[in-house]
Amino acid sequence: DTGVSQNPRHKITKRGQNVTFRCDPISEHNRLYWYRQTLGQGPEFLTYFQNEAQLEKSRLLSDRFSAERPKGSFSTLEIQRTEQGDSAMYLCASSFGSGAPFYTGELFFGEGSRLTVL
Amino acid sequence: AQKITQTQPGMFVQEKEAVTLDCTYDTSDPSYGLFWYKQPSSGEMIFLIYQGSYDQQNATEGRYSLNFQKARKSANLVISASQLGDSAMYFCAMREEGFQKLVFGTGTRLLVSP
Repeated sequence: DTGVSQNPRHKITKRGQNVTFRCDPISEHNRLYWYRQTLGQGPEFLTYFQNEAQLEKSRLLSDRFSAERPKGSFSTLEIQRTEQGDSAMYLCASSFGSGAPFYTGELFFGEGSRLTVL
Repeated sequence: AQKITQTQPGMFVQEKEAVTLDCTYDTSDPSYGLFWYKQPSSGEMIFLIYQGSYDQQNATEGRYSLNFQKARKSANLVISASQLGDSAMYFCAMREEGFQKLVFGTGTRLLVSP
């Protein structure tokens, strides 16, 4: 399978615990995105990487959230001291960007990592 | 600020018929892109079609076409000859020039019946 891969697919944790999600993008894609989707809503943008640089970050990404893409390949999203409001589907997407100011191409999404905080 | 509005929480259509899913948007940027994604029950978002704000013609991709009315700020998705496999959530999204962030609407659930 050469699509975007996310692990784990499901995570149940207790409030206050830390969780980490991993995303493996399509190999030739230099851009990687994290979104969060709650029930009945569309995805909300969290952050964006071009190679290893984190270039955009939403205000939704509080201090408890951190994302990395250390070698410009896979990415991790860590949530510290989880709260019940963090329960959501965390979606990763990737694309290939040419560096043009307005990239018109599509994002390829993974199947998401569903987080439940008890 | 960017905003996408999808006013149809659910739509029903019979197989082989056409259906239109509504999307209106708000932006002050003259240069932007509009997207439609499909999300089946598996959760994966699947890209369907793209329309640039300066594109003169409406975008088409197979059975999907985008009815772009710039003055009305609407970007409705038309699915022709619906199939059972089209049953899914459909999201309209927008991105302004210079930014990578996609802003999504709340989605429309489409159910195709035999």
